[in-house]
Amino acid sequence: AQTVTQSQPEMSVQEAETVTLSCTYDTSESNYYLFWYKQPPSRQMILVIRQEAYKQQNATENRFSVNFQKAAKSFSLKISDSQLGDTAMYFCAFRGGYGGSQGNLIFGKGTKLSVKP
Amino acid sequence: DSGVTQTPKHLITATGQRVTLRCSPRSGDLSVYWYQQSLDQGLQFLIQYYNGEERAKGNILERFSAQQFPDLHSELNLSSLELGDSALYFCASSAVERENAGELFFGEGSRLTVL
Repeated sequence: AQTVTQSQPEMSVQEAETVTLSCTYDTSESNYYLFWYKQPPSRQMILVIRQEAYKQQNATENRFSVNFQKAAKSFSLKISDSQLGDTAMYFCAFRGGYGGSQGNLIFGKGTKLSVKP
Repeated sequence: DSGVTQTPKHLITATGQRVTLRCSPRSGDLSVYWYQQSLDQGLQFLIQYYNGEERAKGNILERFSAQQFPDLHSELNLSSLELGDSALYFCASSAVERENAGELFFGEGSRLTVL
């Protein structure tokens, strides 16, 4: 069975600084997707960034980027120029399969990020 | 706005009661997923439906059941409620189109409080 591990329950960063959240996963599949979701105090689940396993290039979305190491099964999230609005719980998630045979999302336990002014 | 609609947003009930949570997926999405998030916990997968049929089951209690109707909306039924069932219940839907490949779109959740 696939598992997702986030080893940092809580982290903090100063506004405008850079922070990296760690995530490792375990799977025997070769085709899959990895995600980082953000859950602010409103509890809404917001997609931050997505990575397809077949793509070697790391995904980037504005201030958010990932370091995807497929062989090491590592998928870390880097937040640059941290803003107060980045304060949230961040979940790493795995989804196996591809195309029409995708499974459900498997989530890590989350990392609570606090951005301090 | 994800396009996924969940009702009710908040629900308070007593132990032993039964409630129904409703979810309307994004237009055109055939898959619906239900997740449970207890206080300060991650999201636990409960069940998935695809075009009306059960596709996958996670850690769903026997007291819980779900179904997806022909119009693709889904309902999660929780019965014989216990205090520990208090949680935020999320519904999500997904598309198979290449453009949004892989992503699940989440509703705002239904917060259930069992007293």
